[in-house]
Amino acid sequence: AQSVTQLGSHVSVSEGALVLLRCNYSSSVPPYLFWYVQYPNQGLQLLLKYTSAATLVKGINGFEAEFKKSETSFHLTKPSAHMSDAAEYFCAVSRSGGSYIPTFGRGTSLIVHP
Amino acid sequence: DVKVTQSSRYLVKRTGEKVFLECVQDMDHENMFWYRQDPGLGLRLIYFSYDVKMKEKGDIPEGYSVSREKKERFSLILESASTNQTSMYLCASSSRPGTGDHYGYTFGSGTRLTVV
Repeated sequence: AQSVTQLGSHVSVSEGALVLLRCNYSSSVPPYLFWYVQYPNQGLQLLLKYTSAATLVKGINGFEAEFKKSETSFHLTKPSAHMSDAAEYFCAVSRSGGSYIPTFGRGTSLIVHP
Repeated sequence: DVKVTQSSRYLVKRTGEKVFLECVQDMDHENMFWYRQDPGLGLRLIYFSYDVKMKEKGDIPEGYSVSREKKERFSLILESASTNQTSMYLCASSSRPGTGDHYGYTFGSGTRLTVV
Protein backbone atom coordinates (compact mmCIF):
# COMPACT_ATOMS: atom_id res chain seq x y z
CA ALA A 1 0.00 0.00 0.00
CA GLN A 2 1.05 3.55 -0.52
CA SER A 3 0.44 6.57 1.68
CA VAL A 4 1.37 10.22 2.01
CA THR A 5 1.85 12.31 5.13
CA GLN A 6 1.98 16.08 4.94
CA LEU A 7 3.36 17.56 8.13
CA GLY A 8 1.40 20.60 9.21
CA SER A 9 -2.09 21.44 8.02
CA HIS A 10 -1.10 25.14 8.00
CA VAL A 11 2.24 26.82 7.35
CA SER A 12 2.66 30.56 7.82
CA VAL A 13 5.55 32.57 6.34
CA SER A 14 6.37 36.20 5.72
CA GLU A 15 6.62 37.54 2.21
CA GLY A 16 10.20 37.01 0.99
CA ALA A 17 10.90 34.15 3.41
CA LEU A 18 11.74 30.56 2.54
CA VAL A 19 8.80 28.25 1.92
CA LEU A 20 9.15 24.64 3.08
CA LEU A 21 6.23 22.23 2.85
CA ARG A 22 6.93 18.72 4.04
CA CYS A 23 5.83 15.46 2.47
CA ASN A 24 6.75 11.92 3.45
CA TYR A 25 5.55 8.88 1.57
CA SER A 26 5.47 5.14 1.84
CA SER A 27 5.60 2.92 -1.20
CA SER A 28 6.64 -0.65 -1.89
CA VAL A 29 8.12 0.23 -5.29
CA PRO A 30 9.92 3.26 -6.70
CA PRO A 31 7.23 5.89 -6.63
CA TYR A 32 5.99 8.65 -8.82
CA LEU A 33 5.59 11.79 -6.70
CA PHE A 34 3.65 14.96 -7.37
CA TRP A 35 2.89 18.32 -5.85
CA TYR A 36 -0.34 20.10 -6.72
CA VAL A 37 -1.55 23.58 -5.82
CA GLN A 38 -5.16 24.65 -5.34
CA TYR A 39 -6.17 28.30 -5.29
CA PRO A 40 -9.50 29.21 -3.65
CA ASN A 41 -12.55 27.84 -5.43
CA GLN A 42 -10.47 26.22 -8.14
CA GLY A 43 -9.34 22.73 -9.09
CA LEU A 44 -5.85 21.37 -8.50
CA GLN A 45 -2.96 22.36 -10.75
CA LEU A 46 0.20 20.29 -11.19
CA LEU A 47 3.25 22.10 -9.76
CA LEU A 48 5.89 19.48 -10.40
CA LYS A 49 6.47 15.74 -10.64
CA TYR A 50 9.16 13.14 -9.97
CA THR A 51 9.10 10.05 -12.18
CA SER A 52 12.55 8.47 -11.54
CA ALA A 53 14.70 10.95 -13.46
CA ALA A 54 16.61 13.75 -11.70
CA THR A 55 16.06 13.79 -7.94
CA LEU A 56 15.82 17.59 -7.82
CA VAL A 57 12.72 18.61 -9.69
CA LYS A 58 11.89 22.16 -10.73
CA GLY A 59 8.32 23.22 -11.22
CA ILE A 60 6.27 26.25 -12.04
CA ASN A 61 6.24 29.54 -10.11
CA GLY A 62 9.78 29.03 -8.74
CA PHE A 63 8.97 25.90 -6.71
CA GLU A 64 11.20 22.86 -6.53
CA ALA A 65 11.26 19.55 -4.68
CA GLU A 66 13.93 16.98 -3.92
CA PHE A 67 13.32 13.25 -3.88
CA LYS A 68 15.26 11.64 -0.99
CA LYS A 69 14.85 7.89 -1.04
CA SER A 70 16.70 7.33 2.26
CA GLU A 71 14.30 9.70 4.04
CA THR A 72 11.22 8.75 1.96
CA SER A 73 10.62 12.46 1.54
CA PHE A 74 9.64 14.85 -1.22
CA HIS A 75 9.59 18.29 0.40
CA LEU A 76 8.51 21.35 -1.57
CA THR A 77 10.54 24.55 -1.34
CA LYS A 78 10.65 28.06 -2.72
CA PRO A 79 13.44 30.50 -1.79
CA SER A 80 11.24 33.59 -1.48
CA ALA A 81 7.51 33.56 -0.79
CA HIS A 82 5.15 35.84 -2.66
CA MET A 83 1.67 36.84 -1.61
CA SER A 84 0.30 35.03 -4.66
CA ASP A 85 1.68 31.72 -3.32
CA ALA A 86 -1.03 31.60 -0.67
CA ALA A 87 -2.98 28.44 -1.49
CA GLU A 88 -3.55 24.80 -0.53
CA TYR A 89 -0.77 22.39 -1.50
CA PHE A 90 -1.19 18.65 -1.96
CA CYS A 91 1.47 15.96 -2.19
CA ALA A 92 0.61 12.73 -4.00
CA VAL A 93 2.27 9.36 -4.60
CA SER A 94 1.47 6.76 -7.24
CA ARG A 95 2.74 3.60 -8.88
CA SER A 96 2.78 1.32 -5.86
CA GLY A 97 1.46 -2.19 -6.33
CA GLY A 98 1.03 -1.77 -10.05
CA SER A 99 -1.58 0.91 -9.62
CA TYR A 100 -0.96 4.33 -11.04
CA ILE A 101 -3.82 5.91 -9.17
CA PRO A 102 -2.34 8.51 -6.85
CA THR A 103 -2.90 8.72 -3.14
CA PHE A 104 -3.15 12.31 -1.95
CA GLY A 105 -2.04 13.84 1.31
CA ARG A 106 -4.53 15.86 3.33
CA GLY A 107 -3.07 19.15 2.16
CA THR A 108 -1.14 22.05 3.67
CA SER A 109 -2.51 25.55 3.62
CA LEU A 110 0.23 28.12 2.96
CA ILE A 111 -0.40 31.52 4.51
CA VAL A 112 1.80 34.42 3.40
CA HIS A 113 2.00 37.54 5.58
CA PRO A 114 3.01 40.92 4.17
CA ASP B 1 -4.99 25.03 -23.81
CA VAL B 2 -6.03 21.58 -22.68
CA LYS B 3 -8.96 21.41 -20.37
CA VAL B 4 -11.17 19.41 -18.09
CA THR B 5 -14.53 21.13 -17.90
CA GLN B 6 -17.10 20.57 -15.19
CA SER B 7 -20.55 21.74 -16.16
CA SER B 8 -21.43 23.59 -12.96
CA ARG B 9 -19.37 25.54 -10.44
CA TYR B 10 -22.12 25.68 -7.82
CA LEU B 11 -25.20 23.51 -7.34
CA VAL B 12 -27.91 23.47 -4.70
CA LYS B 13 -30.13 20.39 -4.60
CA ARG B 14 -32.78 19.02 -2.29
CA THR B 15 -32.51 15.83 -0.28
CA GLY B 16 -33.69 12.86 -2.33
CA GLU B 17 -33.09 14.44 -5.72
CA LYS B 18 -31.16 12.62 -8.42
CA VAL B 19 -28.09 14.73 -9.25
CA PHE B 20 -25.88 14.59 -12.33
CA LEU B 21 -22.39 16.08 -12.34
CA GLU B 22 -20.85 16.25 -15.80
CA CYS B 23 -17.19 16.30 -16.78
CA VAL B 24 -15.68 16.64 -20.26
CA GLN B 25 -11.99 16.53 -21.27
CA ASP B 26 -10.47 17.50 -24.61
CA MET B 27 -7.09 15.76 -24.26
CA ASP B 28 -8.08 12.31 -25.56
CA HIS B 29 -7.15 10.87 -22.15
CA GLU B 30 -8.03 7.26 -21.41
CA ASN B 31 -8.41 7.68 -17.65
CA MET B 32 -10.99 9.77 -15.83
CA PHE B 33 -11.65 10.14 -12.12
CA TRP B 34 -14.12 11.61 -9.67
CA TYR B 35 -12.99 12.83 -6.25
CA ARG B 36 -14.71 14.59 -3.41
CA GLN B 37 -12.81 17.08 -1.30
CA ASP B 38 -13.71 17.89 2.29
CA PRO B 39 -11.82 20.08 4.79
CA GLY B 40 -9.25 18.09 6.73
CA LEU B 41 -9.84 14.94 4.69
CA GLY B 42 -8.08 15.85 1.45
CA LEU B 43 -9.18 14.17 -1.76
CA ARG B 44 -11.04 10.88 -1.67
CA LEU B 45 -11.55 8.80 -4.80
CA ILE B 46 -15.17 7.95 -5.60
CA TYR B 47 -14.97 6.20 -8.98
CA PHE B 48 -12.62 5.99 -11.93
CA SER B 49 -12.66 4.74 -15.48
CA TYR B 50 -9.87 3.41 -17.69
CA ASP B 51 -11.93 3.22 -20.85
CA VAL B 52 -15.31 3.81 -22.38
CA LYS B 53 -18.10 1.89 -20.63
CA MET B 54 -15.64 0.75 -18.00
CA LYS B 55 -15.80 1.81 -14.32
CA GLU B 56 -14.11 0.89 -11.09
CA LYS B 57 -15.02 1.74 -7.51
CA GLY B 58 -12.72 3.97 -5.58
CA ASP B 59 -12.48 4.36 -1.83
CA ILE B 60 -15.93 5.84 -1.16
CA PRO B 61 -18.39 4.70 -3.88
CA GLU B 62 -21.46 4.30 -1.67
CA GLY B 63 -24.33 6.52 -2.75
CA TYR B 64 -22.76 7.27 -6.13
CA SER B 65 -22.71 5.79 -9.61
CA VAL B 66 -20.96 6.82 -12.83
CA SER B 67 -21.41 6.66 -16.56
CA ARG B 68 -18.86 6.78 -19.37
CA GLU B 69 -20.56 6.39 -22.73
CA LYS B 70 -17.96 8.44 -24.64
CA LYS B 71 -14.22 8.73 -24.10
CA GLU B 72 -14.33 12.45 -23.38
CA ARG B 73 -17.24 12.45 -20.92
CA PHE B 74 -17.50 11.02 -17.40
CA SER B 75 -20.63 11.62 -15.36
CA LEU B 76 -21.10 11.25 -11.61
CA ILE B 77 -24.61 10.44 -10.42
CA LEU B 78 -26.01 10.83 -6.94
CA GLU B 79 -29.00 8.52 -7.03
CA SER B 80 -30.73 10.12 -4.03
CA ALA B 81 -28.85 13.11 -2.69
CA SER B 82 -28.30 13.38 1.05
CA THR B 83 -26.93 16.19 3.19
CA ASN B 84 -23.72 14.26 3.89
CA GLN B 85 -22.94 14.48 0.18
CA THR B 86 -22.52 18.23 0.45
CA SER B 87 -18.96 18.68 -0.76
CA MET B 88 -16.60 19.91 -3.46
CA TYR B 89 -16.47 17.42 -6.35
CA LEU B 90 -13.41 17.31 -8.58
CA CYS B 91 -13.07 15.57 -11.92
CA ALA B 92 -9.65 14.68 -13.32
CA SER B 93 -8.17 12.93 -16.33
CA SER B 94 -4.80 11.41 -17.20
CA SER B 95 -3.09 9.56 -20.01
CA ARG B 96 -2.64 5.82 -19.83
CA PRO B 97 0.26 4.92 -17.50
CA GLY B 98 3.20 2.94 -18.77
CA THR B 99 3.32 4.83 -22.04
CA GLY B 100 6.08 7.12 -20.81
CA ASP B 101 3.60 9.91 -20.78
CA HIS B 102 2.23 9.77 -17.27
CA TYR B 103 2.42 13.37 -16.24
CA GLY B 104 -0.09 13.46 -13.46
CA TYR B 105 -3.67 14.55 -13.49
CA THR B 106 -5.40 17.46 -15.11
CA PHE B 107 -8.22 18.66 -12.88
CA GLY B 108 -11.42 20.51 -13.56
CA SER B 109 -12.34 23.61 -11.56
CA GLY B 110 -14.67 21.68 -9.30
CA THR B 111 -18.37 21.68 -8.51
CA ARG B 112 -19.43 22.81 -5.06
CA LEU B 113 -22.59 20.87 -4.28
CA THR B 114 -24.87 21.78 -1.42
CA VAL B 115 -27.69 19.39 -0.50
CA VAL B 116 -30.41 20.95 1.62
